[in-house]
Amino acid sequence: DGGITQSPKYLFRKEGQNVTLSCEQNLNHDAMYWYRQDPGQGLRLIYYSQIVNDFQKGDIAEGYSVSREKKESFPLTVTSAQKNPTAFYLCASERGQGLYNEQFFGPGTRLTVL
Amino acid sequence: AQRVTQPEKLLSVFKGAPVELKCNYSYSGSPELFWYVQYSRQRLQLLLRHISRESIKGFTADLNKGETSFHLKKPFAQEEDSAMYYCALSTSGTYKYIFGTGTRLKVLA
Repeated sequence: DGGITQSPKYLFRKEGQNVTLSCEQNLNHDAMYWYRQDPGQGLRLIYYSQIVNDFQKGDIAEGYSVSREKKESFPLTVTSAQKNPTAFYLCASERGQGLYNEQFFGPGTRLTVL
Repeated sequence: AQRVTQPEKLLSVFKGAPVELKCNYSYSGSPELFWYVQYSRQRLQLLLRHISRESIKGFTADLNKGETSFHLKKPFAQEEDSAMYYCALSTSGTYKYIFGTGTRLKVLA
């Protein structure tokens, strides 16, 4: 089954703990993205990566970290510094070459901080 | 600063009525604009992009650079159109997308 996968679907975390969300794609896409989706706020960009071993901060990067060691994988770590981490997190990938490329989205991970 | 504005959080229309979901953008360069849709319990997916000038599921959107708008239209709404719709802007030369806050469309029987 091709596409972009995220795991786990639901994640619970105690305050003060770091947690890592997985995102994998087998579409051979160069670019990958992490968004946070909150009610009434749409999708806000956390981090994005255009190529392996390179990534840039988005609009709300504080309290988050990422790595891009492999083309297929772009894990997101929500650190204890993130003040309001409870949210729905979406990962996306894009071919990354040329213009007007479509973003393909994963099913999302819902993180709840207890 | 680049920005995408969708002024309506919720739009309710009756089946068979025309639909217009509004999207305005702020960007000084040449914009790439998209509409994405999220049906219930499905992934967010591309509906259409302005460069294609195509009609998907009866929806069309025209880029109006003078009014900096990219409104989504459909002449006759169907119940299966009920979903969350997001307008998105991609700035030329980058891979960064900016999404609007979304409009939930409810088509009533």
